[in-house]
Amino acid sequence: DAKTTQPPSMDCAEGRAANLPCNHSTISGNEYVYWYRQIHSQGPQYIIHGLKNNETNEMASLIITEDRKSSTLILPHATLRDTAVYYCIVRTRLEYGNKLVFGAGTILRVKS
Amino acid sequence: DVKVTQSSRYLVKRTGEKVFLECVQDMDHENMFWYRQDPGLGLRLIYFSYDVKMKEKGDIPEGYSVSREKKERFSLILESASTNQTSMYLCASSSSSYEQYFGPGTRLTVT
Repeated sequence: DAKTTQPPSMDCAEGRAANLPCNHSTISGNEYVYWYRQIHSQGPQYIIHGLKNNETNEMASLIITEDRKSSTLILPHATLRDTAVYYCIVRTRLEYGNKLVFGAGTILRVKS
Repeated sequence: DVKVTQSSRYLVKRTGEKVFLECVQDMDHENMFWYRQDPGLGLRLIYFSYDVKMKEKGDIPEGYSVSREKKERFSLILESASTNQTSMYLCASSSSSYEQYFGPGTRLTVT
């Protein structure tokens, strides 16, 4: 699986967009970009995934560069409840039993 | 919404005790997983199951066993708890190839 690099922490003002970057320069053609987050003392929560096109759902948007070597997760209007550790994961389609490997992630602090 | 529940949020056990951690999902998912999460080590897969009565070892199965007698329930068993099994235990389930849904976790302390 491709290795990912994320900043260790970021701050964001409440109500503003939070843009979380992820570098994955060794990504291969059949690997997807997944984003999960983990709020303190809770289990990880799936946010979004993409292959090469930009994706949007009710939680966030995922922007993947044309060369696929980096991506950005966008939370359009961050709230205090979005304070969490955000994990960018690059791997192939999850066939049965394939595990998720979480790196250190980015601690996002949303401040009022 | 998918719901994955775990039997306890916090558990304290003594060394040598047999410990059962239960996980139940309500979305008819085929795949279920047990992970443990430790500071600095991230999430590590202990066991997974892709069908009733089927199980596969993950990366760190030693000291653990699992049971899946019904599709909705996946149990993790610590045969003889040790202090190095003090950890946060996370159960997850999945039916698709893209996302796993996690339970709230059980923080186990072995003294």
